[in-house]
Amino acid sequence: NAGVTQTPKFQVLKTGQSMTLQCAQDMNHNSMYWYRQDPGMGLRLIYYSASEGTTDKGEVPNGYNVSRLNKREFSLRLESAAPSQTSVYFCASSEGQGPGREQYFGPGTRLTVT
Amino acid sequence: AQSVAQPEDQVNVAEGNPLTVKCTYSVSGNPYLFWYVQYPNRGLQFLLKYITGDNLVKGSYGFEAEFNKSQTSFHLKKPSALVSDSALYFCAVRVRLLSGGYNKLIFGAGTRLAVHP
Repeated sequence: NAGVTQTPKFQVLKTGQSMTLQCAQDMNHNSMYWYRQDPGMGLRLIYYSASEGTTDKGEVPNGYNVSRLNKREFSLRLESAAPSQTSVYFCASSEGQGPGREQYFGPGTRLTVT
Repeated sequence: AQSVAQPEDQVNVAEGNPLTVKCTYSVSGNPYLFWYVQYPNRGLQFLLKYITGDNLVKGSYGFEAEFNKSQTSFHLKKPSALVSDSALYFCAVRVRLLSGGYNKLIFGAGTRLAVHP
C-alpha cells in the first residue's frame, strides 16, 4: 500500500498562474481532505470530500477549487495563484466521517508563489 | 470559539529523560482528541487518540497521553525520550459541526520536540 500520494512534491509559480495539485489514496477511504500548513499556524482545512461525489468548504477555501474525481482521487486547483498561497499543502484521507476516525496524510506539496 | 492550544513552541529534553508535550482544548460537547507527529519533510502520522473510556491512552512508539476533563488537557508523554523522537508534534480535536457532522479537525500550532544525546 502506498497510502496517500501527492504530486508534485515541489512547485514554483508566478502570480496569476494556475495549477492543480493531485492526490490519490489506495486505502479505499471514503473521505478526503486538503490542508495547508503555515509556520506557527498548524494545519488549516481548505476543502474536504465526505464521500465520492460530494465536496464542501473548510476553514480557508478562498482562491481554491477541488474535484473528487473518483473514490481514490481528490485534486486541488489554484486558478490564479497569489503569494499568500505560498504554503505546504497536505492531502489526507479517512475511512469515514465518524468522530474517532484518524486521518492519513500524504507527504505534502511545497508551493512557492512569486 | 473552539480551539486547541499548544503553549510551548519547543520542548528540549535529554535522551532517557521523560518528556511531556502540552495540549489544552476548548470545545463544546465531548472532545475527540488526537496527537500527530511530523518528521522533517514528511506528512503527519497518527500517534494516538482519545474517544471515550480510560483517560490514559497508549499509542505508537511508546507514547501515551492523559485526558483530563477538568483541566481540558490532553498532554502527550513518554517515559524515556529517544533522539529519534525529535519532530514536530500536533494536537488536534474533532469538533461537531452545526449540521451535525464531524468533518472538521482543528489543529494546534505544533510543538517542536528536540531530544539531545
